[in-house]
Amino acid sequence: GAVVSQHPSRVICKSGTSVKIECRSLDFQATTMFWYRQFPKQSLMLMATSNEGSKATYEQGVEKDKFLINHASLTLSTLTVTSAHPEDSSFYICSARDSQGDYGYTFGSGTRLTVV
Amino acid sequence: LAKTTQPISMDSYEGQEVNITCSHNNIATNDYITWYQQFPSQGPRFIIQGYKTKVTNEVASLFIPADRKSSTLSLPRVSLSDTAVYYCLVGTSYTGTASKLTFGTGTRLQVTL
Repeated sequence: GAVVSQHPSRVICKSGTSVKIECRSLDFQATTMFWYRQFPKQSLMLMATSNEGSKATYEQGVEKDKFLINHASLTLSTLTVTSAHPEDSSFYICSARDSQGDYGYTFGSGTRLTVV
Repeated sequence: LAKTTQPISMDSYEGQEVNITCSHNNIATNDYITWYQQFPSQGPRFIIQGYKTKVTNEVASLFIPADRKSSTLSLPRVSLSDTAVYYCLVGTSYTGTASKLTFGTGTRLQVTL
């Protein structure tokens, strides 16, 4: 089945620094990837849709200048949390869909970001 | 996108069959119904997807009535390892371009001995 790799699995950073999270589709090409954020005991909240070769589409209330998304190839999307603050601490998850498969959307294993 | 409603939580004993029902009254003609499982600190994992009637795979069954306004995920003989959050989603585009998924609250299933 389709595999999505997300890296790093966890990261701790200082306030004010930036953190980059990578999402790779390992055995399929994904023109579209999605980024979610999940706070403890809550559901996944869609942040943005990442489109290969074009600008990402952000959900209402998500700051595009703070959460930079780059989708430079058909297998890689990155999310950069800029000038991170403690309230950005969360679980970030990406997903993509293999249009040739029957497995719906495949999700990465997630990245636990802690800003101190 | 069709909104879904699920029970917040369910409890079960190991070995029992668990049925989780999801309401999606505004499901569109082209929408599919997909269920995902999520363990703590992991990304959701695809369980099953269907459009109508019944779908069965090696881990679950999905029952969808004719009006498609609800669906029921059936987990046969659950074990402790089935303790997780289960999400019901509608609106996935099964063919063509990818469309975004919107997660509801999910159902937190707790399996005990």
